[in-house]
Amino acid sequence: DIQMTQSPSSLSASVGDRVTITCRASQDISNFLAWYQQKPGKVPELLIYGASTLHSGVPSRFSGSGSGTDFTLDISSLQPEDVATYYCQNYNGAPRTFGQGTKVEI
Amino acid sequence: QVQLVQSGPEVKKPGASVKVSCKTSGYTFTNYYMHWVRQAPGQGLEWMGWVNPNTGGANSAQKFQGRVTMTRDTSISTAYMELSSLRSDDTAVYYCARVGRKYGHEYFDFWGQGSLVTVSS
Repeated sequence: DIQMTQSPSSLSASVGDRVTITCRASQDISNFLAWYQQKPGKVPELLIYGASTLHSGVPSRFSGSGSGTDFTLDISSLQPEDVATYYCQNYNGAPRTFGQGTKVEI
Repeated sequence: QVQLVQSGPEVKKPGASVKVSCKTSGYTFTNYYMHWVRQAPGQGLEWMGWVNPNTGGANSAQKFQGRVTMTRDTSISTAYMELSSLRSDDTAVYYCARVGRKYGHEYFDFWGQGSLVTVSS
């Protein structure tokens, strides 16, 4: 099975900072990667699919990049409402493994 | 608008089974795969498997094979996930998630609100 490893597990940054989260797949998944945001006590929400395509309605300060095994999620200017845990997910076949999550705090 | 409404919380004893429902509206049920994801308290997301609402075909993560059954009832646009031989570490919030597709990519575009299943003696 493909393993997804995120780093860091958590981070603390200031409002306006640029934040970068990385996700590494244990084998090549092309660009079949999605990012989800889960705010405290809420349901996960889709941010990005195809490694870099922003889902409808997602603020442009979020961006994704990467292909193959290495991927990044960037928040260009961290906002208070971005406090959440972020998950990457492989959807290149099954299982549709999630990364362990990155908790972002301010 | 698309809605996925799940059944309420359940408390089960070890060894029992639980069946969680996910009633959909606002779209053609049979056109979109439905996946199930769970989240133990304070933990991350764990993918469980999927059901094809059109054919009834299903597939699950190896970890759950033999214990999980994913089905659907097209007459009421509802998907189900049944987990048997429950253990305490099955205590979690269980989510259904619809798969959206675009340009060959798949993603979970709509989620149910989650169903808390507590396994306790």
